[in-house]
Amino acid sequence: DIQLTQSPSFLSASVGDRVTITCRASQGIGSYLAWYQQKPGKAPKLLIYAASTLQSGVPSRFSGSGSGTEFTLTISSLQPEDFATYYCQQLNSYPALTFGGGTKVEIK
Amino acid sequence: QVQLQESGPGLVKPSETLSLTCTVSGGSISGYYWSWIRQPPGRGLEWIGYIYFSGSTNYNPSLKSRVTILVDTSKNQFSLKVSSVTTADTAVYYCARAYVWGTLPTGYYMDVWGKGTTVTVSS
Repeated sequence: DIQLTQSPSFLSASVGDRVTITCRASQGIGSYLAWYQQKPGKAPKLLIYAASTLQSGVPSRFSGSGSGTEFTLTISSLQPEDFATYYCQQLNSYPALTFGGGTKVEIK
Repeated sequence: QVQLQESGPGLVKPSETLSLTCTVSGGSISGYYWSWIRQPPGRGLEWIGYIYFSGSTNYNPSLKSRVTILVDTSKNQFSLKVSSVTTADTAVYYCARAYVWGTLPTGYYMDVWGKGTTVTVSS
């Protein structure tokens, strides 16, 4: 399987901060990466697919970049509603779709 | 707007079969891939498998021997069965639409999710 390693696992930040989360793949995956946001007790919500394409309706303060083995999710100015856990997912289903371990963003 | 809703027993005994159904509303199940994902308490997301509306499937190799996903286009539903469950199968189970992107290989990301249903395995 393709393993995804997210860093950091936990992040403490303030409203207005610029936040960057990294996802590293165990082998090259081109642009086959998505990012999700999950709030407590809720289902994940798709933010970005194809590494950098913003899903419809997602605020433009979210952006994604990278290709191959290293990817980043950036929140340009953290808002109160952005405090959540973020997951990356690689899109190749052979042998299995896989997710990163998650990054929890909490209020400083 | 497409919406998904999981349903099924919240408690299953060890060694028995877990059965869940996902009902698709606001759109047709035809033409898309549909997936199951689970999340053990306090942990990350695990993909279980997906099914195309025509019935073709792909399962996570780690669960393949115990998992069956079926589709019923007449009811706009798809379902999940996990056999011989243990406490390790306790999780929130989500159904989702697996949207296709790219070619060679084909990629899948989940663009619409159900709210999730909690399944506890306990005697």
